[in-house]
Amino acid sequence: QVQLQESGPGLVKPPQTLSLTCTVSGASIRTSGHYWTWIRQFPEKGLEWIGYIYHSGNTYYNPSLESRLTMSVDTSKNQFSLKLTSLTVADTAVYYCARVPNDIYHYMDVWGKGTTVTVS
Amino acid sequence: QSVLTQPPSVSAAPGQRVSISCSGRTSNIGNNYVSWYQQVSGRAPKLLIYKNSERPSGIPDRFSGSKSGTSATLGITGLQTGDEADYYCATWDSSLRSGVFGGGTKLTVL
Repeated sequence: QVQLQESGPGLVKPPQTLSLTCTVSGASIRTSGHYWTWIRQFPEKGLEWIGYIYHSGNTYYNPSLESRLTMSVDTSKNQFSLKLTSLTVADTAVYYCARVPNDIYHYMDVWGKGTTVTVS
Repeated sequence: QSVLTQPPSVSAAPGQRVSISCSGRTSNIGNNYVSWYQQVSGRAPKLLIYKNSERPSGIPDRFSGSKSGTSATLGITGLQTGDEADYYCATWDSSLRSGVFGGGTKLTVL
């Protein structure tokens, strides 16, 4: 079955840059129509959509994060990645990667287990 | 402050039915599809409902979704203790150009 696995540092100092990678198994990241997304969950449980990327490299970013965010895809490794710059304690969250099987309907059908990132 | 508004908590007895509301605006729920997620403590969210009312394979028909205007509702019948979790609604906001979530509703099965 399709599985996603996040990887990256658990602790980052401000104002450093966060780099996370999501490895996809059981499916090709190049599947037509499938988008790949990052979502984060703050300690108080609120969820925030970070952005989408398509295997072509097309991206859609949350406008509130756009100035600090870069997403990329490596189809040879079946991975996609996130870079978030100028970190502050407000970026402390659990970061999830997920698959979006159809961007028109905007839903996430497969999620990674999440990785906790603490900015301190 | 979440873009979509959900009640912080709901509760009901085993076997009963519960509804969780999700309120938004024309730019989000009014013009886009809603999905619902279940998050058991310490786990990743799990898709329950997509396209307002569709259930992925493996999700029992005790779970249902509906949408009317700028609001959506998740219904759960035949409540079980295993249904205790946080539930989130989500959609796209055409004005914000961003995915948006509700603040989550904690379901307690008494």
